[in-house]
Amino acid sequence: EAQVTQNPRYLITVTGKKLTVTCSQNMNHEYMSWYRQDPGLGLRQIYYSMNVEVTDKGDVPEGYKVSRKEKRNFPLILESPSPNQTSLYFCASSFMGGLNTEAFFGQGTRLTVV
Amino acid sequence: AQSVTQPDIHITVSEGASLELRCNYSYGATPYLFWYVQSPGQGLQLLLKYFSGDTLVQGIKGFEAEFKRSQSSFNLRKPSVHWSDAAEYFCAVAIGGELSFGAGTTVTVRA
Repeated sequence: EAQVTQNPRYLITVTGKKLTVTCSQNMNHEYMSWYRQDPGLGLRQIYYSMNVEVTDKGDVPEGYKVSRKEKRNFPLILESPSPNQTSLYFCASSFMGGLNTEAFFGQGTRLTVV
Repeated sequence: AQSVTQPDIHITVSEGASLELRCNYSYGATPYLFWYVQSPGQGLQLLLKYFSGDTLVQGIKGFEAEFKRSQSSFNLRKPSVHWSDAAEYFCAVAIGGELSFGAGTTVTVRA
């Protein structure tokens, strides 16, 4: 089954404690991205990656890191989480360009930083 | 930079009534256009997409959307709403695989 898998689904952590949210896709997609969803703001892109070892900042990259060592995985790293990073996070993947630029989304990770 | 505007934050509609959600985009060329739905506690599901050709596109769950180039709009419609359509709806535009989302419209369905 084609899917994007995020883990964990829910996480409560304390300010400053490093955490990683994993994202994996099994569709051989080149493009992967992370979004955060906040009420009234829709989804805002944090980082994206067009292929292995190629990453770039989205609209709201501050406080986040990513890596793309393998095509299927795109982890989101919060080195020192702060309460303003409490949000719902989505990972997405898609093929690059062409007519098939439909993005597939993970189920989301609800992060609370206290 | 491209932008997507959904003017309506919240819409309440009676079950069986028609629904229209508005979406306007700002970009020089015609981007790829999408509508996604997010049910409570769920991820995003693609309803429909427009790339080119017929400006009226049909999607899943009885939804359709019409692309109007002159108005830079891509409004979503459903003739008769079901209680299960209560959700948040997002319009999105894609350039080169990069998606930009509108702020979303929450739809409440009353009996």
